[in-house]
Amino acid sequence: DIQMTQSPSTLSASVGDRITITCRASQSLGFWVAWYQQKPGKAPKLLIYKASTLESGVPSRFSGSGSGREFTLTITSLQPDDFATYYCQEYNGWTFGPGTKVEIK
Amino acid sequence: DVQLVESGGGLVKPGGSLRLSCEGSGFTFSTYSMKWVRQAPGKGLEWISSISSSSGHIYYADSVKGRFTVSRDNDKNSMYLQLNSLRAEDTAVYYCARASTAFDLWGQGTMVTVSS
Repeated sequence: DIQMTQSPSTLSASVGDRITITCRASQSLGFWVAWYQQKPGKAPKLLIYKASTLESGVPSRFSGSGSGREFTLTITSLQPDDFATYYCQEYNGWTFGPGTKVEIK
Repeated sequence: DVQLVESGGGLVKPGGSLRLSCEGSGFTFSTYSMKWVRQAPGKGLEWISSISSSSGHIYYADSVKGRFTVSRDNDKNSMYLQLNSLRAEDTAVYYCARASTAFDLWGQGTMVTVSS
């Protein structure tokens, strides 16, 4: 089974900051990674698929990159609505990473 | 509106059973592979089952294999998850999701609590 790790597990940031979350896989995934945002009590929301393609309606301050075993989610100019938990996911066995909580500094 | 709505959750004793439903609307349900994902309280997301558009391909996570059964009725725009031999560790919010580019549409979730 593919294992997914994310770093950091928690990230403290301020409105306007640029942040980056890293996701690493135990084996090469090509470009087959997605990113989701989840707020407390709500369902996850798809942000990015195929490593770097922005889902329709998602603000352009979100971007994804990477291939193989390492992927990143970047949020430029963090907004109040962006404080949430972010998960990466691989497309083979549909395994999710453990999540990164982005909290207000 | 394009949406998924889950139902059927509740409180059940260890060893008991429950059937969850997921109804889609606003899109052509029969053309999509569908998924079940769960989230234990305070924990991360766990994929547990997939069913292809025509039910020809079905997959389960090892944690539920042999105990849970997924099915769908495209005439009713619905997917189901039969949960048997439930354990305390199955306590979670259960989400259904549509799979296209990734899991691009999610339901609001239904809570399953396994406790005596």
